[in-house]
Amino acid sequence: NAGVTQTPKFRVLKTGQSMTLLCAQDMNHEYMYWYRQDPGMGLRLIHYSVGEGTTAKGEVPDGYNVSRLKKQNFLLGLESAAPSQTSVYFCASSKETATNEKLFFGSGTQLSVL
Amino acid sequence: RKEVEQDPGPFNVPEGATVAFNCTYSNSASQSFFWYRQDCRKEPKLLMSVYSSGNEDGRFTAQLNRASQYISLLIRDSKLSDSATYLCVVNPTSSTLGRLYFGRGTQLTVWP
Repeated sequence: NAGVTQTPKFRVLKTGQSMTLLCAQDMNHEYMYWYRQDPGMGLRLIHYSVGEGTTAKGEVPDGYNVSRLKKQNFLLGLESAAPSQTSVYFCASSKETATNEKLFFGSGTQLSVL
Repeated sequence: RKEVEQDPGPFNVPEGATVAFNCTYSNSASQSFFWYRQDCRKEPKLLMSVYSSGNEDGRFTAQLNRASQYISLLIRDSKLSDSATYLCVVNPTSSTLGRLYFGRGTQLTVWP
């Protein structure tokens, strides 16, 4: 049982480049989330999804887009990367709303934007 | 003011010690509270939920003080394996689906 899988694990981009981070979960969870974690700060919610075909903005959505075409996958896109987007990105999923349920996290993606 | 505030530490304690962390939250309407554990360069994992009546799981005890708007985590008989960063997590209201707020974490190092 893989749980939540994120790819890639590491990536270096130049300013202005684009990329997509993939998150896949095999637990049939309805809810999926993308967070970023920066030194000295807590995890901050970028976007989330409450089910296939739905997405919503979180706390820091600017500069990111997401898609949830299939229930098991949640993609995070950066159309034009900026150095401020250098961070560790975590995907997570939960069976029900995360406000009451355990979050399962992927192992993270270290992204550096030069 | 941040939604969730924690003392980042570090807390350095010997094996066998008892250590406690506090976390304050700003929204008095907050409904759900959790402690997550994060090892260095790893993903966070749920340690325990925090219930109004307080709860205990082995060496770990979590308590909620609504009047003073803080939650606490007590670790008894510390083990080397308890070394990690402990994240305080709060749901500020019952209606904001998915909007959990994470504290920046308290770093704990247990030394032999």
